[in-house]
Amino acid sequence: DIQMTQSPSSLSASVGDRVTITCRASQGITNSLAWYQQLPGKAPKCLIDAASNLHSGVPSRFSGSGSGTDFTLTINSLQPEDFATYYCQQYKDYPVSFGGGTRVEIK
Amino acid sequence: EVQVVESGGGLVQPGGSLRLSCAASGFSSSDVYMDWVRQAPGKGLEWVGRVRAKRNDYSTQYAASAKGRFTISRDESRNSLFLQMNSLHTDDTAVYYCARVVTSKWYLDLWGRGTLVTVSS
Repeated sequence: DIQMTQSPSSLSASVGDRVTITCRASQGITNSLAWYQQLPGKAPKCLIDAASNLHSGVPSRFSGSGSGTDFTLTINSLQPEDFATYYCQQYKDYPVSFGGGTRVEIK
Repeated sequence: EVQVVESGGGLVQPGGSLRLSCAASGFSSSDVYMDWVRQAPGKGLEWVGRVRAKRNDYSTQYAASAKGRFTISRDESRNSLFLQMNSLHTDDTAVYYCARVVTSKWYLDLWGRGTLVTVSS
């Protein structure tokens, strides 16, 4: 099974900061990776698929990169509505798996 | 409106069974793959399983934690899918989400609000 390890598990940042979240796969997954944002009490929402494909309607301050085993989600100029928990997900192979999540909190 | 709505959650004793439903509207769920994903209180997302589209004979895949205890099925006439959960443990306590898989891209683009399953004596 493919394990997805996210870091950090939580971070504190201020509005306007640049935030970077990393996700590492236990084996190569090419670019078969999605990033989700989950606001408190809400269902997840997909922001990015294929490691770097930003979904329509998602602000351009979000970006994804990486391939193989190492991936990054970057949020440029953090906004108040970005404080949430972010998850990576691999869909290269079964079982599908999620990272443990990164909680982005207000400093 | 395109949406999926889960139902059927509740309180069940350890060892008991529960059947969750996911009603799709605004699209034909039999044409797409559908997943169940769960989230224990205060924890992260855990993939539970998948049912493929009708063209793939509604075949299924499960996480190790679900295999042998959980069964995903469909009812095409009701545009719905189900998660039958047997031999429930306390660590099955979670919000269970139904989600649509984007064909050939494999990410989950449409999620329900979830239904809470509590396994406790």
